Amino acid sequence: QVTLKESGPTQVKPTQTLTLTCTFSGFSLRTGGMTVGWIRQPPGRALESLAVIYWNDDKLYNPSLRSRLTITKDTSQNQVVLTLTSVDPEDTGTYYCARRNILAGHYATWGQGTLVTVSS
Amino acid sequence: DIQMTQSPTALSASVGDRITVTCRASQRISNLLAWYQQRPGEAPNVVIYEASKLQSGVSSRFSGSGSGTEFALTISSLQPDDYATYYCQQYKSYPHTFGQGTKLEI
Repeated sequence: QVTLKESGPTQVKPTQTLTLTCTFSGFSLRTGGMTVGWIRQPPGRALESLAVIYWNDDKLYNPSLRSRLTITKDTSQNQVVLTLTSVDPEDTGTYYCARRNILAGHYATWGQGTLVTVSS
Repeated sequence: DIQMTQSPTALSASVGDRITVTCRASQRISNLLAWYQQRPGEAPNVVIYEASKLQSGVSSRFSGSGSGTEFALTISSLQPDDYATYYCQQYKSYPHTFGQGTKLEI
């Protein structure tokens, strides 16, 4: 059974760095074709893709946030970490990680999400 | 970025109705499109992928169609469990952009 779970702070202050961890099971990021992506959703608004990391350590970022985002993986720990620097209240929302096999294309399995509030 | 435009953004329908939601891409994406269902407080779940393929475990009342830039999600005979927000998403190129969502209400 494939599962993913996001963890991290529930509140951060403006200008701080947000670090979120996605811990997964049921698949390996060593497997060819496997990727894990981060998607966020501001309250009451639509979904936005942030970054994705591939089994071969390739990475793609949303150009609108590229300068502030970093995605990394620890295959031994089955974790993917997303950092977002210089946060502001517009970064408030639920952050999801999700598994995607490039052969299928869509995000087949999602974590439950973690709500992050940016406020002083 | 590829822009995805859904319509309508909200839809009221009754149990047993048949409804259709449309999604338009700003450039051709072949059939690289998925539809997700999201209930309040939950993560999205894929219902249709590759524009018309039904995700395993999803009711056959859901169907998808389209290719290129025009796509549609149809739900036949609405059930209470179907009331949710639906998003289309293209995965032709990154960032994998989503539509603004269609909230389906009773």
